[in-house]
Amino acid sequence: SQQGEEDPQALSIQEGENATMNCSYKTSINNLQWYRQNSGRGLVHLILIRSNEREKHSGRLRVTLDTSKKSSSLLITASRAADTASYFCATVQGGKLIFGQGTELSVKP
Amino acid sequence: GAVVSQHPSWVICKSGTSVKIECRSLDFQATTMFWYRQFPKQSLMLMATSNEGSKATYEQGVEKDKFLINHASLTLSTLTVTSAHPEDSSFYICSARDGREVSYEQYFGPGTRLTVT
Repeated sequence: SQQGEEDPQALSIQEGENATMNCSYKTSINNLQWYRQNSGRGLVHLILIRSNEREKHSGRLRVTLDTSKKSSSLLITASRAADTASYFCATVQGGKLIFGQGTELSVKP
Repeated sequence: GAVVSQHPSWVICKSGTSVKIECRSLDFQATTMFWYRQFPKQSLMLMATSNEGSKATYEQGVEKDKFLINHASLTLSTLTVTSAHPEDSSFYICSARDGREVSYEQYFGPGTRLTVT
């Protein structure tokens, strides 16, 4: 079963703009992870945020976690056409990594 | 970093035949491997979890007799789609967990595109 709900399902922006994707989950977690998937390809691990962290940065990525609301957000700043991909949040449940529905990001040059 | 490979990267087969997909951890020992299926425009759905040397644990709704999983060594797991039908056409992705790591980090293969005609 899917753990995370993500919104928006699809997001289209211009190059240079920021993109924000949200993820909500249902049960308690130790950490939450974000992945990117280019069309027809495997997954690329972007960032992991632990339950005792509120914010984490990696390059142009900024992830926040609000455990009281059971939600996380991924912000991509100064987006590029190469950021066009699907983005998934994932949490570990019973030792298994369960993915959210994903957000399809399109960055237009 | 840890690398997971899959073979083949894509396969086309006729309805009724069986197809085997391999998942290998190249530079670490994978005590646990996972198989996911992804339909177009959808998320990854976990099919089963396999631990080296033991039977796979299947998710609810996944037919274990149709999707045979073997994890005979610490570096290889195979998924065999038996008597494939067009509705089995999908993107199959494996992932592996390094048994030496305490974290739950999983390393993903590049996926296998299966098309059943």
